[in-house]
Amino acid sequence: ETGVTQSPTHLIKTRGQQVTLRCSSQSGHNTVSWYQQALGQGPQFIFQYYREEENGRGNFPPRFSGLQFPNYSSELNVNALELDDSALYLCASSLTSGKNTQYFGPGTRLTVL
Amino acid sequence: AQKITQTQPGMFVQEKEAVTLDCTYDTSDPSYGLFWYKQPSSGEMIFLIYQGSYDQQNATEGRYSLNFQKARKSANLVISASQLGDSAMYFCAMRVRDTGRRALTFGSGTRLQVQP
Repeated sequence: ETGVTQSPTHLIKTRGQQVTLRCSSQSGHNTVSWYQQALGQGPQFIFQYYREEENGRGNFPPRFSGLQFPNYSSELNVNALELDDSALYLCASSLTSGKNTQYFGPGTRLTVL
Repeated sequence: AQKITQTQPGMFVQEKEAVTLDCTYDTSDPSYGLFWYKQPSSGEMIFLIYQGSYDQQNATEGRYSLNFQKARKSANLVISASQLGDSAMYFCAMRVRDTGRRALTFGSGTRLQVQP
């Protein structure tokens, strides 16, 4: 196990609602990245946080937002949910030095009805 | 822009045999890292192996080795002595050393099924 935890495991929401997903990074890791993985596809980068600031963003609209806390844990917030937001959301933690290997959590499966 | 291509949607291998999963990449950045991850049906992405663009030797981690051919821009994963537990999706990913984010770009994956 990587030591990266995510909650909740599964979530069902309806279109237009808002959702918050949580991630606890591996001990000692100061960087958290979020990815969206639609069914049958590879993960797509949403954004990354380092020292509580956004450190890069993929091609996702502003209704996807995030936070990183002083203990390096993180939240992903999605407003105005759409059907296409249904996916597995993966959180990964890493260090900013060395190989920067990202270690992933088990993911949160979000279903939007 | 960076791109990862995995051309094998699915692969079958007999238990105890070796298998090669293909990955080609495209980037104009001379400094980059290549990763392979395994994703079982549970969903968690498990890190397997890393190869840096300046590494002189191919990476190895237990039964996993990476056949890195820089001129051909390929980074194939070789799994030796396949086990039933190796059945999963396998993703090749790349990270370039740009000035900002250290995001991973993933391929579309290869589903490996190990048969007894």
